[in-house]
Amino acid sequence: ETGVTQTPRHLVMGMTNKKSLKCEQHLGHNAMYWYKQSAKKPLELMFVYNFKEQTENNSVPSRFSPECPNSSHLFLHLHTLQPEDSALYLCASTRIGYNEQFFGPGTRLTVL
Amino acid sequence: AQSVTQLDSHVSVSEGTPVLLRCNYSSSYSPSLFWYVQHPNKGLQLLLKYTSAATLVKGINGFEAEFKKSETSFHLTKPSAHMSDAAEYFCVVSGGVTGGGNKLTFGTGTQLKVEL
Repeated sequence: ETGVTQTPRHLVMGMTNKKSLKCEQHLGHNAMYWYKQSAKKPLELMFVYNFKEQTENNSVPSRFSPECPNSSHLFLHLHTLQPEDSALYLCASTRIGYNEQFFGPGTRLTVL
Repeated sequence: AQSVTQLDSHVSVSEGTPVLLRCNYSSSYSPSLFWYVQHPNKGLQLLLKYTSAATLVKGINGFEAEFKKSETSFHLTKPSAHMSDAAEYFCVVSGGVTGGGNKLTFGTGTQLKVEL
């Protein structure tokens, strides 16, 4: 396993529920990312945080709300999701100025 | 702008035979290139990276890749496949900046199957 952890690993929710995904990195990095991985599609970058500040929102619907309280923690708050939002959500981190990103194991989300 | 094309969505090999996973890239910058591997129900793990040093890059688990600028390719190889190599492999190009980190563009992945 890498130094990036994600909880929960699996989540099933109804369309009216509110839930949150959590990511924590233990690598001393200062940039964090949310990605969406759907079947048959390339990995989609959702959000980028740099030193706790959001620097990119890749046209993500407002039913996804990220939060980055510090450089080690990243949350993705979910509400009123649609079945097509079912996917693997991956968190990644890096040190600014470096190319490679380190990924967590992901949260498998199913929206009923 | 940057993009990456993985030429095969599925590759099947026998255990002990060579592996070749093909990747072509396009980038407006001097690219950094990566291969990541994803085992079932796991996150992505970095196999190897090219960052304008040696064109032949060695990674973990016996994998290597060669950067060929003239062919805009970065194919992944391994001399002898092992059952544990069965996974999905992603070719990734980095170039351009998003926020403070570099933006990664992922290929669609190649599913490697290893048969006895």
